[in-house]
Amino acid sequence: DVKVTQSSRYLVKRTGEKVFLECVQDMDHENMFWYRQDPGLGLRLIYFSYDVKMKEKGDIPEGYSVSREKKERFSLILESASTNQTSMYLCASVLAGTGVHEQYFGPGTRLTVT
Amino acid sequence: GNSVTQMEGPVTLSEEAFLTINCTYTATGYPSLFWYVQYPGEGLQLLLKATKADDKGSNKGFEATYRKETTSFHLEKGSVQVSDSAVYFCARRQGNTPLVFGKGTRLSVIA
Repeated sequence: DVKVTQSSRYLVKRTGEKVFLECVQDMDHENMFWYRQDPGLGLRLIYFSYDVKMKEKGDIPEGYSVSREKKERFSLILESASTNQTSMYLCASVLAGTGVHEQYFGPGTRLTVT
Repeated sequence: GNSVTQMEGPVTLSEEAFLTINCTYTATGYPSLFWYVQYPGEGLQLLLKATKADDKGSNKGFEATYRKETTSFHLEKGSVQVSDSAVYFCARRQGNTPLVFGKGTRLSVIA
């Protein structure tokens, strides 16, 4: 069974802390993504990666960075967490190609910054 | 630009009612179209997809037809159940680019 796993379901951090959100997929997918989901705003793309060591900015990259040292792992980093980064974070992966493939999502990490 | 617009919710229906959630898209060329569903407390999962004009995607009693002439991909189900209560997202993808999502429509089905 295909899987995207995220390191935590719930996380509470303090303002100014450095936060790491980890995502692992076991499907040998080239493409991986980080989204945040907020009520009324839907899913917004933060960063994505098409290959190891590669990263691309999405629609809202400010305040975030990413790391992809191995194909199966894509990490989202909040360098200095702020309260406006309280959100649900979703990781996803998909095969590279013509766009017809299903994108698989992890269960999400609900991050609260106090 | 490339965008997806879907009807705003929330939508509340009685069990066995007919469901339509409208979705339209803008794109140059012919994207693949998807409906994803998010049940409470879970991540998104694919509900159905269509990859070319006039294709019909179907799953779990839901259907959507890729209409190039109206740039639409409306989601329908003839008889909803309480277990269909969820948030539904329309999305498009063109080539090896990220999915573009609509803002989601929350559906509540009451017994």
